[in-house]
Amino acid sequence: AQKVTQAQTEISVVEKEDVTLDCVYETRDTTYYLFWYKQPPSGELVFLIRRNSFDEQNEISGRYSWNFQKSTSSFNFTITASQVVDSAVYFCALSEAGPEAAGNKLTFGGGTRVLVKP
Amino acid sequence: DAMVIQNPRYQVTQFGKPVTLSCSQTLNHNVMYWYQQKSSQAPKLLFHYYDKDFNNEADTPDNFQSRRPNTSFCFLDIRSPGLGDAAMYLCATSRQIGLAGAPDTQYFGPGTRLTVL
Repeated sequence: AQKVTQAQTEISVVEKEDVTLDCVYETRDTTYYLFWYKQPPSGELVFLIRRNSFDEQNEISGRYSWNFQKSTSSFNFTITASQVVDSAVYFCALSEAGPEAAGNKLTFGGGTRVLVKP
Repeated sequence: DAMVIQNPRYQVTQFGKPVTLSCSQTLNHNVMYWYQQKSSQAPKLLFHYYDKDFNNEADTPDNFQSRRPNTSFCFLDIRSPGLGDAAMYLCATSRQIGLAGAPDTQYFGPGTRLTVL
């Protein structure tokens, strides 16, 4: 069975500080996909990134960066120079591939609430 | 812009009174999902449609039903809402080519917040 753990339930930072969100996953599959979503107070889940298990390159998109390490089953997310608009709950999620995965079910972590104070 | 739309955004119903939530999409995705999200929790998958095939999660109560009359629309019916069904209900869509196709990204609608009085 697959599992995603986000050990940090809440992180509070002051604007312009960097913040790193941890995500650790468990799966028995060799082919899988990892995602990060942002959920602002409005409630909509906003897709941020998708990464497959064969691509361990780190990725940077503006102030966002992701560090994927298969050796430690982690897919951590860093917000650089945080802004008040980054305040949200961030979810890490895992999806497996294969015949049993019809419909691409997502297993979510518990989420990390980020509060950025001005 | 292609998107996932949910109506209404806020729904108030009475205990035991049937309620229907709707979801539509302009992405032409073949898979549609319904999630329930309670306060401070992760979304929980209720069921999904892979094309016309309905896939229910084992722990989804019978009180929750779904209909997908065409590719674009999907409905969530709660036959007899209880106080414990108050939650945010999220619809999502994705594209999957073949049963063994690689998981594509799920795109979520804005959600419907259900209050049960």
